Amino acid sequence: KQEVTQIPAALSVPEGENLVLNCSFTDSAIYNLQWFRQDPGKGLTSLLLIQSSQREQTSGRLNASLDKSSGRSTLYIAASQPGDSATYLCAVFTGTASKLTFGTGTRLQVTL
Amino acid sequence: DAGVTQSPTHLIKTRGQQVTLRCSPKSGHDTVSWYQQALGQGPQFIFQYYEEEERQRGNFPDRFSGHQFPNYSSELNVNALLLGDSALYLCASSFGGSNQPQHFGDGTRLSIL
Repeated sequence: KQEVTQIPAALSVPEGENLVLNCSFTDSAIYNLQWFRQDPGKGLTSLLLIQSSQREQTSGRLNASLDKSSGRSTLYIAASQPGDSATYLCAVFTGTASKLTFGTGTRLQVTL
Repeated sequence: DAGVTQSPTHLIKTRGQQVTLRCSPKSGHDTVSWYQQALGQGPQFIFQYYEEEERQRGNFPDRFSGHQFPNYSSELNVNALLLGDSALYLCASSFGGSNQPQHFGDGTRLSIL
């Protein structure tokens, strides 16, 4: 059974800092890994998707890496801004189950 | 280009009642998946519909059922509501039902009194 863990559960940083969010998964037989952002009471916004054959993806100030063999992914946010405050969720797509398995998220607060 | 739309936005029910939630997929998508997100938790997979059939199912009781229509829209039905069914219900759509990216709606917030 696939399990996804995210560390830390919560993080508070001052504006301008670079930060790293961590995600680990137990079954390396994944098709892809997605990072999502969720604002309070809202749905999920996809940030980055990394296919199993890829090592990283970049979008603006965001960079996600994937090490499938060790079951790890990181989301790097450069020069954080107060507007980055949200919960960040990691999810892996397992082909045999055709579903996304989510971690419990990291709640990020960027302070002025 | 309309994204995934869900209705209603919020819903309040009492224990024992039944509820129907609705989802319209993103244009061009033919696969709909439903997730339940309890407060402070990550979303949990309920089931997936493709070609009007339930293709995969998560660890949810038979009180949770669904349907997909020929226009690819979908409904989630929950019978005999329990307090523990209070959650944000998210619908995601994708194309082909495989490993393509899933696009999520804003969800329906269901509260059980």
